[in-house]
Amino acid sequence: GQNIDQPTEMTATEGAIVQINCTYQTSGFNGLFWYQQHAGEAPTFLSYNVLDGLEEKGRFSSFHSRSKGYSYLLLKELQMKDSASYLCAVADSNYQLIWGAGTKLIIKP
Amino acid sequence: IAGITQAPTSQILAAGRRMTLRCTQDMRHNAMYWYRQDLGLGLRLIHYSNTAGTTGKGEVPDGYSVSRANTDDFPLTLASAVPSQTSVYFCASSDLEGGREQFFGPGTRLTVL
Repeated sequence: GQNIDQPTEMTATEGAIVQINCTYQTSGFNGLFWYQQHAGEAPTFLSYNVLDGLEEKGRFSSFHSRSKGYSYLLLKELQMKDSASYLCAVADSNYQLIWGAGTKLIIKP
Repeated sequence: IAGITQAPTSQILAAGRRMTLRCTQDMRHNAMYWYRQDLGLGLRLIHYSNTAGTTGKGEVPDGYSVSRANTDDFPLTLASAVPSQTSVYFCASSDLEGGREQFFGPGTRLTVL
């Protein structure tokens, strides 16, 4: 079957660094996506990995290993506005996105 | 319009009624999608369309239908609503080239009583 696993909830302190992990098993692979979703709002795109390695974009970085079926999203210099859910999704062999349930990140001052 | 719009923003509906959720995009994207999002579950694909005139079933299509008469519009219809269809519904679109990043509309919160 197809499965995306990520922690349900994480807590971190303002100014710190947090790593959100995602593991997956899917029928085919055409890329891994991370989205941010604030409460009551739509998901917004953060990053895309199709090759192994690290993609850096400002305070956010995403790492991917195809052989391990693993990715993480790294958030640095946390700000209160980073409190949100972070969704991991994998594009399968038909380019349909399979979504994890999301990780709710709580930032404390 | 900039991006994707959905209407209505929210709706309370009696069970058994018919309801159409509207979705319009102005990015000229080929592909469009309808998802539902329920607490504790990931986004689940209801129906999709890779190009105008074609549609396909996603993970949870039962009780829903879609049409794609043109590139911009992708309405979702509940023929006879049931309480289990209470959810937040998101429409999304993507270009079929490149990374296929999906852009989401603001969502419709639907309650079926």
